Amino acid sequence: QLVLTQSPSASASLGASVKLTCTLSSGHSNYAIAWHQLRPERGPRYLMKLDSDGSHSKGDGIPDRFSGSTSGADRYLTISSLQSEDEADYYCQTWGTDIRVFGGGTKLTVL
Amino acid sequence: EVQLLESGGGLVQPGGSLRLSCAASGFSFSDFEFNWVRQAPGKGLEWVSFIASYGTTVFYTDSVKGRFTISRDNAKNSVYLQMNNLRAEDSAIYYCAREAWVDMWGQGTMVTVSS
Repeated sequence: QLVLTQSPSASASLGASVKLTCTLSSGHSNYAIAWHQLRPERGPRYLMKLDSDGSHSKGDGIPDRFSGSTSGADRYLTISSLQSEDEADYYCQTWGTDIRVFGGGTKLTVL
Repeated sequence: EVQLLESGGGLVQPGGSLRLSCAASGFSFSDFEFNWVRQAPGKGLEWVSFIASYGTTVFYTDSVKGRFTISRDNAKNSVYLQMNNLRAEDSAIYYCAREAWVDMWGQGTMVTVSS
């Protein structure tokens, strides 16, 4: 079964960096994923598509502070030079032939 | 402008029906597949349904099979979600989303199922 696992919460200080993790279920470590941001009172925002080899393609207007990387079944979203506007819920998402799957989301708090 | 614009949400009683619409603009609509994704109050994002570029292939999450129907009209650059026999647990913001990796989102439309 295709499942994505995310930690429920993360926090980091203003100006610092944070690395969020999304783990693919067993047998699915070669799947690409996407990262999305959901801020309060705003709709979701596509951040990037992240392939199993670590290559990624970002959405229009996504700052260079956002980057993605891969290690085995883990997919990472790194946000550097944290700003207050980065405080949001972050979801990873993947897809199969007949299904799309979202992780449970990580609530990022900027201290 | 490149965008997706949902409409059709509202308050409906349990067992009732609603039809959501998603109007696309600014890109070649028929080249893309579309999904409906929802977020219930206080919950995470949940994929609901998918339709291929020419509507020949559709998929649904288990909880809506037999109740929801996704469709599209490429001439009108629109995707639809017909929702029948609605339940309280279907209450959510419903988003239209483009492509398997969701490279574009609409702003959402709120559906509330309550008596």
